[in-house]
Amino acid sequence: QKEVEQNSGPLSVPEGAIASLNCTYSDRGSQSFFWYRQYSGKSPELIMFIYSNGDKEDGRFTAQLNKASQYVSLLIRDSQPSDSATYLCAVNPSFSGGYNKLIFGAGTRLAVHP
Amino acid sequence: SQTIHQWPATLVQPVGSPLSLECTVEGTSNPNLYWYRQAAGRGLQLLFYSVGIGQISSEVPQNLSASRPQDRQFILSSKKLLLSDSGFYLCAWGRQGAYEQYFGPGTRLTVT
Repeated sequence: QKEVEQNSGPLSVPEGAIASLNCTYSDRGSQSFFWYRQYSGKSPELIMFIYSNGDKEDGRFTAQLNKASQYVSLLIRDSQPSDSATYLCAVNPSFSGGYNKLIFGAGTRLAVHP
Repeated sequence: SQTIHQWPATLVQPVGSPLSLECTVEGTSNPNLYWYRQAAGRGLQLLFYSVGIGQISSEVPQNLSASRPQDRQFILSSKKLLLSDSGFYLCAWGRQGAYEQYFGPGTRLTVT
């Protein structure tokens, strides 16, 4: 079982719609969850993080965390073509020996079409 | 504000040649530093991490090595490159005690 799983996509949504990206993780002790956006050929960029159950909103982005079900989601409202990218989910392992490591999923490719 | 630099941006090297990639961070002190590799169409693989000068931990045994000669400098090296070393190499930094990591622009390495 992979530690952090994401659907590879592509997830295709029309411009203006809500894009919903999902991530499941296997380590019940994980406490910190991150979403990175990676444009083709570029490095990942941190866009959201969440530590507590529930929702966290930042502009058009909402991160949702459900620790009991071990999933974290990213919602993008009013999707724009510029949101087209690969979205990486990252989770801290419950034991990282003080090195603050993250485990990354393989990413979901989002395509927003006009 | 903090800035992370990597160079070179792209590199084409023959099999068996040496490698040296450099990463530097500005605007912070005593950062955690990380080297990742991303193969084409694949996820991020953590290679090395460091919590301080001279303190390097290896995540995956391979023909690569890392060094941290200065607080904000992280170097990835190889004595002899393999074809399988091709990929996108990313350096990242994070604050001590925090999990957020911030990536540099990356080096795209092609081994021929």
